[in-house]
Amino acid sequence: NAGVTQTPKFQVLKTGQSMTLQCAQDMNHEYMSWYRQDPGMGLRLIHYSVGAGITDQGEVPNGYNVSRSTTEDFPLRLLSAAPSQTSVYFCASSRDSLSGNTIYFGEGSWLTVV
Amino acid sequence: GQQLNQSPQSMFIQEGEDVSMNCTSSSIFNTWLWYKQDPGEGPVLLIALYKAGELTSNGRLTAQFGITRKDSFLNISASIPSDVGIYFCAGQVQTNSKLTFGKGITLSVRP
Repeated sequence: NAGVTQTPKFQVLKTGQSMTLQCAQDMNHEYMSWYRQDPGMGLRLIHYSVGAGITDQGEVPNGYNVSRSTTEDFPLRLLSAAPSQTSVYFCASSRDSLSGNTIYFGEGSWLTVV
Repeated sequence: GQQLNQSPQSMFIQEGEDVSMNCTSSSIFNTWLWYKQDPGEGPVLLIALYKAGELTSNGRLTAQFGITRKDSFLNISASIPSDVGIYFCAGQVQTNSKLTFGKGITLSVRP
């Protein structure tokens, strides 16, 4: 079972470049979300979606855009990369809203902005 | 905003030892969850707790939902090398509310 698939696994960007982190899930989950993980900071919610066509901001949305044109895909776009966006990014999906007991995380995308 | 406190940031134990971690908050949560993150992987759910005072086990792991609803505890018994990783607590105020994560505790197990 694929579960939640994120690409790329590793990426180095120059300041000001844009890029998209891809996320796909094959579990027919309505709810998807993006988190970033920084040393000593835990997981912080960037954006989330409760279904196709619906997105909302999380705790740290600035500098990121998302869209949800299909149930399966939830890409995260960095509009103009900054060194402060160097982080590990996790996509997640869940069956029951954002409920923690049904949430599945991808393997992460390591992003470095130089 | 709501915060979950986990400390210390790192723990070092000997293989075979038991270890306890706690997670505290100044706010009440109605669901507590514990996740483990292996190196290079995403977090995976270990235990979910839904009721104050609840004690739940998953193999060598036992977690408790504090009576005050402001804390939770995770105990790992007879640790083994594969217990290495980052352990996160998370809470939800309501069933459909967003998760609040603690900062995590990195556990190292010496053979």
